[in-house]
Formats: sequence, structure tokens, C-alpha cells
Amino acid sequence: SAVISQKPSRDICQRGTSLTIQCQVDSQVTMMFWYRQQPGQSLTLIATANQGSEATYESGFVIDKFPISRPNLTFSTLTVSNMSPEDSSIYLCSGEQGYNEQFFGPGTRLTVL
Amino acid sequence: GENVEQHPSTLSVQEGDSAVIKCTYSDSASNYFPWYKQELGKRPQLIIDIRSNVGEKKDQRIAVTLNKTAKHFSLHITETQPEDSAVYFCAASKDFNKFYFGSGTKLNVKP
Repeated sequence: SAVISQKPSRDICQRGTSLTIQCQVDSQVTMMFWYRQQPGQSLTLIATANQGSEATYESGFVIDKFPISRPNLTFSTLTVSNMSPEDSSIYLCSGEQGYNEQFFGPGTRLTVL
Repeated sequence: GENVEQHPSTLSVQEGDSAVIKCTYSDSASNYFPWYKQELGKRPQLIIDIRSNVGEKKDQRIAVTLNKTAKHFSLHITETQPEDSAVYFCAASKDFNKFYFGSGTKLNVKP
């Protein structure tokens, strides 16, 4: 299975600023996804990161707030823009290597003050 | 879109007993059903999955069953151990597409 790393692992940010989270996979993956997980809650899909084209966002998530890049088959970034305390959450990326199996990164714990 | 419901939200069992977690899904086109285990502060880990062309799959103490007609699938853990304590999530997907996750079940195995 693919090994996925994320940077940073955690951060504390001020309201109104932006944070970019990096997701690196040790092998090529077909699909990459970004999720948000509130403490004690399930995983909510933010968007599908498409290689070489614009990400596909789920209902309730927009590109201006969560711009995503995926320049190649092993790397993606998620930016949380103009942050507010409601954006405090854990952000996870995942990669799919085929046959639907998704493997997750360790997550980025974001606190917005 | 797909709607996945998961029950129970919490489950407490005695060590050595069995645990069963159930999920239902709404989209009959869904054809892939993974189960993830998430320990506190850790990433979700895939523990078992099943595809729509089979009705049951086992891996040591863990098994998953799928009833396509009723659109529900279940996770069975036998001979539970304290290290099985975690939050378990089911999910449904179709055609190499995104996952829809259930709300999660917190399993507590008492020694």
C-alpha cells in the first residue's frame, strides 16, 4: 500500500490568514482526495484533486475557500483561505492506487484563533 | 447522492465477545464497501473491504457481509481484544469514485 505523508502535522493560525497543507505519496496514485474531520466526527469529503486540471468540489465547499493543486501523480496541496475558528479541524488527504482502495495521510490538525 | 447510515454509534463488549457493526446505503450502484479503523489521534486504516460480486469476506477475526438486495453490510469482529478498541467507519463507493462514510462506531472492549 502507498505511504502518505502530510505537512504540517499541526498548526495554530490567526483568523484571516491562510494555510497550505502538503500531501506526498511515495508512489503514483490514480486519485487523490481531501477530507475534513471534526473531533469525534466522521470524514467529510472536501474535493477530488485532479492531476493537471481543476479539483472537483463537494457541495458546501468552494475553490475560493479551499484551493487545491495536484501537479503530478504523487503530490497535492490544499489551502485553507481566510481562516475562521470554524475551520479548526483535522484535514486528511488520501490516495487511491486502483481497485478503489484508499489510504490516508496522518492528517493536519488545524486550530484557528 | 449516496447516504450511508451506521449503527450503533457506540458499542461496549467484554473481551472475547463478538462485535457487530451495521451499515446501510442508498445507492444501488455502489459496488465497493471498505471498513476503516481509526485509533485516537491516528489516521484511518483500511481493515477489510468487500465488493458487490461477493457476499462475505473473512480475514482472521474480522469478517464483512454484504446484502445487496437489502443494501446493507456488516462488520463482524470475533474474540474481541482490548486493542480492537477504536472508532470504526464504513463507507460506500462506486466505480473508482469518492467514498461516502458512515458516522462511525466507537467500540470499547473491556478487559
